[in-house]
Amino acid sequence: DAKTTQPPSMDCAEGRAANLPCNHSTISGNEYVYWYRQIHSQGPQYIIHGLKNNETNEMASLIITEDRKSSTLILPHATLRDTAVYYCIVSASGYNTDKLIFGTGTRLQVFP
Amino acid sequence: DTGVSQNPRHKITKRGQNVTFRCDPISEHNRLYWYRQTLGQGPEFLTYFQNEAQLEKSRLLSDRFSAERPKGSFSTLEIQRTEQGDSAMYLCASTQRGGEQFFGPGTRLTVL
Repeated sequence: DAKTTQPPSMDCAEGRAANLPCNHSTISGNEYVYWYRQIHSQGPQYIIHGLKNNETNEMASLIITEDRKSSTLILPHATLRDTAVYYCIVSASGYNTDKLIFGTGTRLQVFP
Repeated sequence: DTGVSQNPRHKITKRGQNVTFRCDPISEHNRLYWYRQTLGQGPEFLTYFQNEAQLEKSRLLSDRFSAERPKGSFSTLEIQRTEQGDSAMYLCASTQRGGEQFFGPGTRLTVL
């Protein structure tokens, strides 16, 4: 079973920041938080991952709480192309990636 | 294109027939994963290979399913005596040791 809890759906206006929350209260010390997204009829796409520090790349920012029990994925300026299902996953292997256990994710709808 | 490729993209078959899917990972990636995704659900892990060795199989992988990666490059997933419940998207992913998994576009199987 997935070790994360996400809201089933969210809306965001184009150009605004999309903040997607994830709870992972049972995360272990060696588990990383990964975010993937899946645009309709495509394979999942990696976005970002982190252990305990906040991370930023060209796609998004990842904010992990100090106790590591929750995190937030931030898309700073959402576009219509960001409409997708977003999955938050905890994975033990970290740098040596192991299998991914997906939940049902958050369906983000970006509207004009 | 140097991404993960899967063939065929779509397969329609009759119940009881055998089907085989192929995955070509990114060339330098030594780990390869198969997942299955049904409508409205996140992908579910089936099996993975490190080079030619099959290191883990999910209990979802019944006796009718077999996967191979004969030379540590491409992989095949065969389903024998297909059932309607096998209808799903079959996804392949690859990774080098460390970091994110790269997914292919998937093979959509429909069993009539």
